[in-house]
Amino acid sequence: DVKVTQSSRYLVKRTGEKVFLECVQDMDHENMFWYRQDPGLGLRLIYFSYDVKMKEKGDIPEGYSVSREKKERFSLILESASTNQTSMYLCASSPAGLYNEQFFGPGTRLTVL
Amino acid sequence: AQTVTQSQPEMSVQEAETVTLSCTYDTSESDYYLFWYKQPPSRQMILVIRQEAYKQQNATENRFSVNFQKAAKSFSLKISDSQLGDAAMYFCAYRSGAGSYQLTFGKGTKLSVIP
Repeated sequence: DVKVTQSSRYLVKRTGEKVFLECVQDMDHENMFWYRQDPGLGLRLIYFSYDVKMKEKGDIPEGYSVSREKKERFSLILESASTNQTSMYLCASSPAGLYNEQFFGPGTRLTVL
Repeated sequence: AQTVTQSQPEMSVQEAETVTLSCTYDTSESDYYLFWYKQPPSRQMILVIRQEAYKQQNATENRFSVNFQKAAKSFSLKISDSQLGDAAMYFCAYRSGAGSYQLTFGKGTKLSVIP
């Protein structure tokens, strides 16, 4: 079974803190993704990576950065957390190939106070 | 930019009955892929079914099937013999066939199953 894990299910941070969200997949997938999920807005892509050290901006990259130093790990970084970044963050991975499905992690619910 | 619209924020169905969730999309491309994902309460999102735009035959996976109308840009999901475990958020998603791995999601439909 493909497994995508995220470092925390729940996280509470203060405004201005630097926040790291970690995602690990165990199936040697080329592609990894970070989404933000908000009620009534669906899932919106923040960043994705199609190879180690490669990244592309999604629809809402502002306020976020990413790092992919190893194939299995993709980190989302909030340089200076703000209250409007309170949300559910979902990580996903997929093999190469446009028809291939994305496998999702359990999500991290981040609250910024 | 492509957009995906799910016009039904919430739906309900009696157990063992059939329900159809609607999805429309806007694109100028002819080559693309469509997906339905399911997100059960407090559980991970999983793929339900997918369709390649160049295939006219509607995809089917057990009790789940789609009605793909390319000209109308419609991609509805039919769930037959609904079960309690079908209760979830359902998201329709679009991926361009032009080489991008980006998925564009609709806002979701929350399906309740009534025993």
